[in-house]
Amino acid sequence: TQLLEQSPQFLSIQEGENLTVYCNSSSVFSSLQWYRQEPGEGPVLLVTVVTGGEVKKLKRLTFQFGDARKDSSLHITAAQPGDTGLYLCAGARGSARQLTFGSGTQLTVLP
Amino acid sequence: DVKVTQSSRYLVKRTGEKVFLECVQDMDHENMFWYRQDPGLGLRLIYFSYDVKMKEKGDIPEGYSVSREKKERFSLILESASTNQTSMYLCASRDPYNEQFFGPGTRLTVL
Repeated sequence: TQLLEQSPQFLSIQEGENLTVYCNSSSVFSSLQWYRQEPGEGPVLLVTVVTGGEVKKLKRLTFQFGDARKDSSLHITAAQPGDTGLYLCAGARGSARQLTFGSGTQLTVLP
Repeated sequence: DVKVTQSSRYLVKRTGEKVFLECVQDMDHENMFWYRQDPGLGLRLIYFSYDVKMKEKGDIPEGYSVSREKKERFSLILESASTNQTSMYLCASRDPYNEQFFGPGTRLTVL
């Protein structure tokens, strides 16, 4: 059973379109992170959100942590081919050292 | 920049062989992790270590063991490789702010 469910699993869009990726759980997380992984590389951290309702922006990427700290979303505005990659959410529970990763969303942005 | 290196990018082994995957980090991080990544399943934690000679089982430790003799090095061992251990293996180290830094991964094929 996956603690963190990501949707959609695959997303293929045209350059310039907007998109939203969701990360949902029935568990409460003390913090939630989003990573992006490109082919042949390990995941790279994009952002960490820690407060319920928090919104963080990273250029065209907007990250939101749900009020109850059980879910998160990633919104990309005017997607570009360089945004192509596997997007992973990961949650930390309490003082645990380890993260729980979602199953990932494979995004392809076509020129 | 934090650097996490893994000994091999690609590895092909035969069923029953003993396999060693090495990981080295250069930022003096205490916490290190081994994951396997399979399509549709995200990253699953195999083992982690929070100090030299200290280790804890993750979600899927069966068939694996680890060794942490020095702070910078964390090894994953497959005592007797099986075909269901064919996967991408990712090593990570974690900084005090809970950001995980990943190596490029080792794609292991067991024939």
